[in-house]
Amino acid sequence: DTAVSQTPKYLVTQMGNDKSIKCEQNLGHDTMYWYKQDSKKFLKIMFSYNNKELIINETVPNRFSPKSPDKAHLNLHINSLELGDSAVYFCASSQASGREFFGPGTRLTVL
Amino acid sequence: DAKTTQPTSMDCAEGRAANLPCNHSTISGNEYVYWYRQIHSQGPQYIIHGLKNNETNEMASLIITEDRKSSTLILPHATLRDTAVYYCIVRPHSGGGADGLTFGKGTHLIIQP
Repeated sequence: DTAVSQTPKYLVTQMGNDKSIKCEQNLGHDTMYWYKQDSKKFLKIMFSYNNKELIINETVPNRFSPKSPDKAHLNLHINSLELGDSAVYFCASSQASGREFFGPGTRLTVL
Repeated sequence: DAKTTQPTSMDCAEGRAANLPCNHSTISGNEYVYWYRQIHSQGPQYIIHGLKNNETNEMASLIITEDRKSSTLILPHATLRDTAVYYCIVRPHSGGGADGLTFGKGTHLIIQP
């Protein structure tokens, strides 16, 4: 079974649209994350979330919002998509050990 | 910003040991050294981590200098599937923490047949 899964794998959409990327982990971890990898392959943390707090990277526009329906899921909602949002988005999770397990990524293309 | 410095790229012959260096001269006493790798088009994968003692697992060995200002990741018998970008990351403690990982540019390791 896949530890951290994301859907969809590919997402192509028009500027101005609103879209969501789903993430699920079956590891029982209490913290989940979203990372963005841009065209230059830089990986950057966007959010980390557990049942107690949401930590937001200050550079992330407020058009991006994480939503956690339960401990195993952390979905990423993006409003008013822009060309610069095109990237690969990775979900990850961790427990007290500190090791993060990453999903396979979602390649978002904004036209 | 990443607190580590790594070479941009390295080559290694298949079957030989790959030694990937990392400088972290400003590491704090409570910070661990973590290594992850990212194979093309996949999510990053945890390899190993350590505080001050050398560590070994089924994937690799981690050698940390006595002053903790640098470390070396060793892949003992590199295979073509080890071609990837390797990231050296320092982070506080290994128990929890929701601050995520700060990735640098990493080292692109290319295993040559």
